[in-house]
Amino acid sequence: EDKVVQSPLSLVVHEGDTVTLNCSYEVTNFRSLLWYKQEKKAPTFLFMLTSSGIEKKSGRLSSILDKKELFSILNITATQTGDSAIYLCAAGGTSYGKLTFGQGTILTVHP
Amino acid sequence: GAGVSQTPSNKVTEKGKYVELRCDPISGHTALYWYRQSLGQGPEFLIYFQGTGAADDSGLPNDRFFAVRPEGSVSTLKIQRTERGDSAVYLCASSPIAGGGPTQYFGPGTRLTVL
Repeated sequence: EDKVVQSPLSLVVHEGDTVTLNCSYEVTNFRSLLWYKQEKKAPTFLFMLTSSGIEKKSGRLSSILDKKELFSILNITATQTGDSAIYLCAAGGTSYGKLTFGQGTILTVHP
Repeated sequence: GAGVSQTPSNKVTEKGKYVELRCDPISGHTALYWYRQSLGQGPEFLIYFQGTGAADDSGLPNDRFFAVRPEGSVSTLKIQRTERGDSAVYLCASSPIAGGGPTQYFGPGTRLTVL
């Protein structure tokens, strides 16, 4: 059975801190690893990773994939209160992109 | 529309009733997915449509759940004889083509509460 595990489950930090969120996966016919940010209901897309060792970056967020060790990390530097959200990791397997999600990391950033 | 839309945004029903949840994907997106998200959990795959056909319904929990997409655009998720355990947020996502390349874009979800 496909499985994605995220850690930590929750994290409380102060503005300006740097955080690292972890995601490990076991997915048959792995194709891609995706990160989403969920603030209210709709998960919004952050990154999609398909190749090992290539960092993807968007502003203060960055992510990297290790296909040998089957994990990914999401880094957020200089956190802001607007970064408070649930961060979801999902692994895509099969030919049509069915996603298996982790349980999410709840990030709370205090002023 | 600009994004995936879902209606209603909230639905409260009584145990045993029938409900329909609607999803309007991004125009032109051929792939459509339904997920269910329970409190404190990540979304869980239910069913995938490529065009009009359900290509994978392996995530539907039982035969009370059914989904259609008759014209290859709007999809309806139907739940018969609802149970309290069906309470969750039902998310719909669409993608331009099937496959692991293009990402899935999610709608805001329908929060279903079964009393």
